[in-house]
Amino acid sequence: DAGITQSPRYKITETGRQVTLMCHQTWSHSYMFWYRQDLGHGLRLIYYSAAADITDKGEVPDGYVVSRSKTENFPLTLESATRSQTSVYFCASSRFTTVPYEQYFGPGTRLTVT
Amino acid sequence: DQQVKQNSPSLSVQEGRISILNCDYTNSMFDYFLWYKKYPAEGPTFLISISSIKDKNEDGRFTVFLNKSAKHLSLHIVPSQPGDSAVYFCAASVGTGTASKLTFGTGTRLQVTL
Repeated sequence: DAGITQSPRYKITETGRQVTLMCHQTWSHSYMFWYRQDLGHGLRLIYYSAAADITDKGEVPDGYVVSRSKTENFPLTLESATRSQTSVYFCASSRFTTVPYEQYFGPGTRLTVT
Repeated sequence: DQQVKQNSPSLSVQEGRISILNCDYTNSMFDYFLWYKKYPAEGPTFLISISSIKDKNEDGRFTVFLNKSAKHLSLHIVPSQPGDSAVYFCAASVGTGTASKLTFGTGTRLQVTL
C-alpha cells in the first residue's frame, strides 16, 4: 500500500538498550521528519532530512541518531534508551514543492522504556 | 519556550454548534500556519492552512482566521459533527517553499456531543 508506515507500532525496552524505529514512505518525498509527542509538549521535532544523506537536528535531538541512505527510509535510533525517551514517535514526509507544504504523518510508534 | 500555544487543553461542543479552537504564537517570523487533526492511535492529518498574507481561509465546514497584529489564529468548525471529535494541533513555520520546519502547539481535545 502506498503511504508512510512505521514499525514497530509498539515497543517496550529496557534502560540502556539500543532501539531503532523504522519509517518508510512510498511517495518519494524529499523531506522526512521525526517527532515525539508528549503530554504538555505537543509534537516536537527530533531530526529531519532534506534528501538522502542529508540530515539535520531539530528541537530535541539529544540521545537520538538518524540516517538516510535511501529516499524512502528514515530510521531513528536511540543508542542507549532512557526513561525520558518514553513517548509516541511520529515520522512524517513532505514534498515541500506546492502549497500548502503539509507534512504527511505515519501512524506512530509507542515506545516504553522501563 | 513555547512559541506556539494552545491554551485550552479541551473543548466540548454540542453537535450542530460552532467549535472555535484558538492558537497564539510569539515568533513574528512565522508566516505560514497549519491545523492538524489527530485521532487516537493514528498520526496527525492535515486539515487546513493559511499564509500570513491572508486573514481567512475556508474549506467546507472549516475556516481558519489569522490576526497577525494579535499573533492569534483560530479554527472554526461549523456545524460541528461527532466525527470531529479529535485532538487539534496548530502549527507554524518560517518560510515557505523550503524545508520549513513546523513548530506545533500542545493541542486541544475537541469533544462533540450529541
